[in-house]
Amino acid sequence: DTGVSQDPRHKITKRGQNVTFRCDPISEHNRLYWYRQTLGQGPEFLTYFQNEAQLEKSRLLSDRFSAERPKGSFSTLEIQRTEQGDSAMYLCASSYQVQSYGYTFGSGTRLTVV
Amino acid sequence: KNEVEQSPQNLTAQEGEFITINCSYSVGISALHWLQQHPGGGIVSLFMLSSGKKKHGRLIATINIQEKHSSLHITASHPRDSAVYICAVPQQPMNYGGSQGNLIFGKGTKLSVKP
Repeated sequence: DTGVSQDPRHKITKRGQNVTFRCDPISEHNRLYWYRQTLGQGPEFLTYFQNEAQLEKSRLLSDRFSAERPKGSFSTLEIQRTEQGDSAMYLCASSYQVQSYGYTFGSGTRLTVV
Repeated sequence: KNEVEQSPQNLTAQEGEFITINCSYSVGISALHWLQQHPGGGIVSLFMLSSGKKKHGRLIATINIQEKHSSLHITASHPRDSAVYICAVPQQPMNYGGSQGNLIFGKGTKLSVKP
């Protein structure tokens, strides 16, 4: 297993366009998390899945954001009608449900909205 | 909701120095995470600890559950240790059925080790 993969690594888009990011977790992990990180800040929680069920969404996840994990494997995060304030690093992590195991993070997707 | 404070925000050291980064949190937790983030964004998990002390190479992490405080130490620091070090705790309080959910992160400590 190559760890958590995120695609693309970088995305530059014009304001108003839609973008979609993909995360492939570690295959045995049933939980998948999305975080957003702006410059100089720690990551902030967006949403997480257990298998295909979306268990929790942050209030940061406005109605322009949607996340899916259709078969309980990879996940996509879509941002519609992007705004400059959406520019950030979007991080994905996966874990087992049981807390004695840690989290594995991906390398992130850096979004720049121009 | 848990809150996480890290100090210092920025730290510059000379190669070989002993480094300490501190983390305090507000609500009792099941485990605390120390993470490392290099320029470019990817995060690497260094430690997950719920009590006492853990050591991996030149890195040592300690936690005091009663005081809600953890420290990350780097011995014999090296320029390749330069990175942002982030402390994270579960958003859910202790006794959440043993199940781990999302993490709350500190803002990070930016460490620069000069040769």
